[in-house]
Amino acid sequence: DTEVTQTPKHLVMGMTNKKSLKCEQHMGHRAMYWYKQKAKKPPELMFVYSYEKLSINESVPSRFSPECPNSSLLNLHLHALQPEDSALYLCASSYTGQGGGYTFGSGTRLTVV
Amino acid sequence: ILNVEQSPQSLHVQEGDSTNFTCSFPSSNFYALHWYRWETAKSPEALFVMTLNGDEKKKGRISATLNTKEGYSYLYIKGSQPEDSATYLCARGGGTSYGKLTFGQGTILTVHP
Repeated sequence: DTEVTQTPKHLVMGMTNKKSLKCEQHMGHRAMYWYKQKAKKPPELMFVYSYEKLSINESVPSRFSPECPNSSLLNLHLHALQPEDSALYLCASSYTGQGGGYTFGSGTRLTVV
Repeated sequence: ILNVEQSPQSLHVQEGDSTNFTCSFPSSNFYALHWYRWETAKSPEALFVMTLNGDEKKKGRISATLNTKEGYSYLYIKGSQPEDSATYLCARGGGTSYGKLTFGQGTILTVHP
């Protein structure tokens, strides 16, 4: 299996809702990432997990809460989001160390209404 | 250069043309330069990861070069085909935060039959 699977592909949520984005990989990668991409902008790093521990939080608001329950799964819990949080959320994984490319999922298109 | 910058923003070529794009990046604290190919509604696909000054990599009709001293990388496509139409992203790894890739805004390539 050489894929990163993200679910759901599309999500519409209200500002008072709680939802979760899921990401799964079975390549033995021990680093996993959440990126956010707004239209016509480059992907921006949100969080990095290394060996199931949070290693980077790019000053992301607390309404986004990441979780890495095991080496294959990465979740992003969403609560009280704002319309400006609408974006494409990409998950990626890689071997640790910066010498290798990342494997990306196809993303979750999130709309906050 | 403070950010990762790509040029041109978009490019239209005819089938069979050869083309190239530029990625400029901060040269200090550099570790790696990634190139990704991203087709609409699909996952970004890793093309190359380069770490050494003077690196050249090739994958079929696509090749890339790296100059870490002056902070730029070129991506070349020889004999463009319509299926090469995609957004090409470069990303710089480095700095003080392991695992942090900083992306450029991408070059959108359209190859006309």
